Amino acid sequence: AQTVTQSQPEMSVQEAETVTLSCTYDTSENNYYLFWYKQPPSRQMILVIRQEAYKQQNATENRFSVNFQKAAKSFSLKISDSQLGDTAMYFCAFMKHMSGNAGNMLTFGGGTRLMVKP
Amino acid sequence: DARVTQTPRHKVTEMGQEVTMRCQPILGHNTVFWYRQTMMQGLELLAYFRNRAPLDDSGMPKDRFSAEMPDATLATLKIQPSEPRDSAVYFCASGLVLGEGNQPQHFGDGTRLSIL
Repeated sequence: AQTVTQSQPEMSVQEAETVTLSCTYDTSENNYYLFWYKQPPSRQMILVIRQEAYKQQNATENRFSVNFQKAAKSFSLKISDSQLGDTAMYFCAFMKHMSGNAGNMLTFGGGTRLMVKP
Repeated sequence: DARVTQTPRHKVTEMGQEVTMRCQPILGHNTVFWYRQTMMQGLELLAYFRNRAPLDDSGMPKDRFSAEMPDATLATLKIQPSEPRDSAVYFCASGLVLGEGNQPQHFGDGTRLSIL
């Protein structure tokens, strides 16, 4: 079974600054996907960024980037130029690569509550 | 943008009552997932379907919970009888799996369930 750990229950950052959220995971799989989801107070679960384990290059989406360290099983999220709208819960999630008729559920970390301060 | 639609958005009912939550996955998606979110347990998988067939519902209390997909446009999660400990936010998500491709899941807005 896979486990995902987010060691920072809460973090805060000043607007326009940079913040990094940590995530570690445990798996025996070699081929998998990692995601960061954002959950604002509206409760929506919004996909922020994804990373395929077979890719060495770190994924980037505008102000969001990841530091994927496969050997260390670490997948941190960096938010640059933080904005007030980034205030939310952030969940790290793991998904095995499944083929054939199998499914592909997500295993979530416990979340990090990020507060962006003006 | 295509979205996963969940109804109702909120539900308050008394213990012992039947609760039905509905989900309309994104058109063309072939996997559907039900997750439950609580403060204590975080996000947990309850059940999932591929091409309408249930693949895994081991996360679901079988005595009171049931999940079905009557057709490709509707997934339901029922609780009967409901208990206060079932109070949570229930999310439906859908995704597309084609051959070796695994696409990210898209979530609905959730149903906030309160059992009194």
